[in-house]
Amino acid sequence: QQQVKQSPQSLIVQKGGISIINCAYENTAFDYFPWYQQFPGKGPALLIAIRPDVSEKKEGRFTISFNKSAKQFSLHIMDSQPGDSATYFCAASSYSGAGSYQLTFGKGTKLSVIP
Amino acid sequence: NAGVTQTPKFQVLKTGQSMTLQCAQDMNHEYMSWYRQDPGMGLRLIHYSVGAGITDQGEVPNGYNVSRSTTEDFPLRLLSAAPSQTSVYFCASSAGGVWGGFPEQYFGPGTRLTVT
Repeated sequence: QQQVKQSPQSLIVQKGGISIINCAYENTAFDYFPWYQQFPGKGPALLIAIRPDVSEKKEGRFTISFNKSAKQFSLHIMDSQPGDSATYFCAASSYSGAGSYQLTFGKGTKLSVIP
Repeated sequence: NAGVTQTPKFQVLKTGQSMTLQCAQDMNHEYMSWYRQDPGMGLRLIHYSVGAGITDQGEVPNGYNVSRSTTEDFPLRLLSAAPSQTSVYFCASSAGGVWGGFPEQYFGPGTRLTVT
């Protein structure tokens, strides 16, 4: 059972455009929603994260929008640059006690920003 | 700080062989985990540990063993390699859980494993 659904699988955006990646989750116990960025040949790295008590979080050109009632969250990349070309993963987690956080990942979106 | 290190970077095994993927972190993190990444599948949790001597299964544990004898090291053992275990393996670590705060997971560079 896929607990975090991510779309689209791939995305091509012109330089300067807005990239939008969407995720939906099923488990209402999730209380932390990070986005990871992965460049080819590298491990994923945390990009930005949000808790469900806020509807939006912005860091530079990256914004997470969160809709708790719809159980959906999305990543917006403003003024997309070729250097943003990477695979993006949404994830969700809940604190399960004893210091245990299990991240459930979406399947990833490969973003290509063309000049 | 080296962060999270993984060895080897690449490995080719024959079906039935065993091997150990090494993972080490120098950040004194309590929580460590192993993921596998397959095309179109995202990252799936294999095993995790919340501290030395404590391990638990993730989503896809079959065919893998782990142990955690020290805070720094979290090796992943393949008991009898199968072609279905061809994948990229990532180790990750984070600070211990504190209610109200979520510790960032730091990923290693990965090990690309091919089983023929």
